[in-house]
Amino acid sequence: DTAVSQTPKYLVTQMGNDKSIKCEQNLGHDTMYWYKQDSKKFLKIMFSYNNKELIINETVPNRFSPKSPDKAHLNLHINSLELGDSAVYFCASSQDRGQGRSEAFFGQGTRLTVV
Amino acid sequence: AQSVSQHNHHVILSEAASLELGCNYSYGGTVNLFWYVQYPGQHLQLLLKYFSGDPLVKGIKGFEAEFIKSKFSFNLRKPSVQWSDTAEYFCAVYSNSGYALNFGKGTSLLVTP
Repeated sequence: DTAVSQTPKYLVTQMGNDKSIKCEQNLGHDTMYWYKQDSKKFLKIMFSYNNKELIINETVPNRFSPKSPDKAHLNLHINSLELGDSAVYFCASSQDRGQGRSEAFFGQGTRLTVV
Repeated sequence: AQSVSQHNHHVILSEAASLELGCNYSYGGTVNLFWYVQYPGQHLQLLLKYFSGDPLVKGIKGFEAEFIKSKFSFNLRKPSVQWSDTAEYFCAVYSNSGYALNFGKGTSLLVTP
């Protein structure tokens, strides 16, 4: 049973289109994240949600809009896609341990290619 | 803000060689430190973690790391690497708020037969 699952795994689309990536975790964690991994493998946090509330929005263009309908889901919608949005997007989740946070568990990633 | 830096960006080793990858964290009080591995085309998997206690942490696949507070370091080690260890390795630390896991720039390890 996959702990953090995201769909789709691959997404190829044209510039200007709107697309969504879905993420679900079955670990009962209270916090979910979206990360972007660029072509140099650098991982940068985009958003962090705790109990459905947006906590971190790291200077991401407002074309990117996350939505968390409940604690177990965090979706990412991207409007007006640009070439520079091509990357691998990872969803992750973690839990408050009472003395800091647990390790983060990552989804399989969504490779987005904008042509 | 808590951050980590990794010194080695590309490492090439022969099988059976010993490995040490450097990671330094910025001071910010209590730290929870992690090493993740990303095999080609795959997602990130946890290798090991440090929360408190014994500074020598053992992880999966024969990896270990030592937390040295005086040096702000959390270096990853493996006595004898295998071809299957070829991957990208990331050191990570939570931000002061605890709501962002900040990653180093990664080290690409290539193990040759």
